[in-house]
Amino acid sequence: NAGVTQTPKFRVLKTGQSMTLLCAQDMNHEYMYWYRQDPGMGLRLIHYSVGEGTTAKGEVPDGYNVSRLKKQNFLLGLESAAPSQTSVYFCASSKTSSLLYEQYFGPGTRLTVT
Amino acid sequence: AQSVTQPDIHITVSEGASLELRCNYSYGATPYLFWYVQSPGQGLQLLLKYFSGDTLVQGIKGFEAEFKRSQSSFNLRKPSVHWSDADEYFCAVGSNFGNEKLTFGTGTRLTIIP
Repeated sequence: NAGVTQTPKFRVLKTGQSMTLLCAQDMNHEYMYWYRQDPGMGLRLIHYSVGEGTTAKGEVPDGYNVSRLKKQNFLLGLESAAPSQTSVYFCASSKTSSLLYEQYFGPGTRLTVT
Repeated sequence: AQSVTQPDIHITVSEGASLELRCNYSYGATPYLFWYVQSPGQGLQLLLKYFSGDTLVQGIKGFEAEFKRSQSSFNLRKPSVHWSDADEYFCAVGSNFGNEKLTFGTGTRLTIIP
């Protein structure tokens, strides 16, 4: 049982390049989330999904797009990377939206934009 | 809007000593409160959570936290720390009305000295 996995673990991009981060969960969870973590700040929610085929904006959605074509996968895209998007990105999943259910986190993707 | 403050960026304690990490929250009603721990290069792991009822909650790894409504606090404690407790700790608050999302504090890094 792998839980939540993220691909890749590390990536360096040049300004203006695009990339997609992949999150996969094998717990049959309905809800999935993308967060970013920056030094001196807590995790901030970028986008989330309440189920296959649905997505919604979080606290800091600008510059990112997401897709949830399959229940187990949640993709985060950067169409034109900017240095301000240098961060560690975490994916999480939970059984439902209710906070009664724990969010399980992946190990993170460290992205550097030069 | 809900918010979380962790006033201590970095705390150093001796192995075997007691520990208290502070967390203050701002929320209009009874919040859902969480403590997460993050090891280097890893995702967040849930230590404990408070929803209602007994204000002293027990978690994994020997941690406990006490909800004090009058002080808007949810401090994390451990009677005797071990070297393996050296990690970063995040407090988070969530609501159970509508916007069921977590708001994280900025984290407290714990260093253990022999």
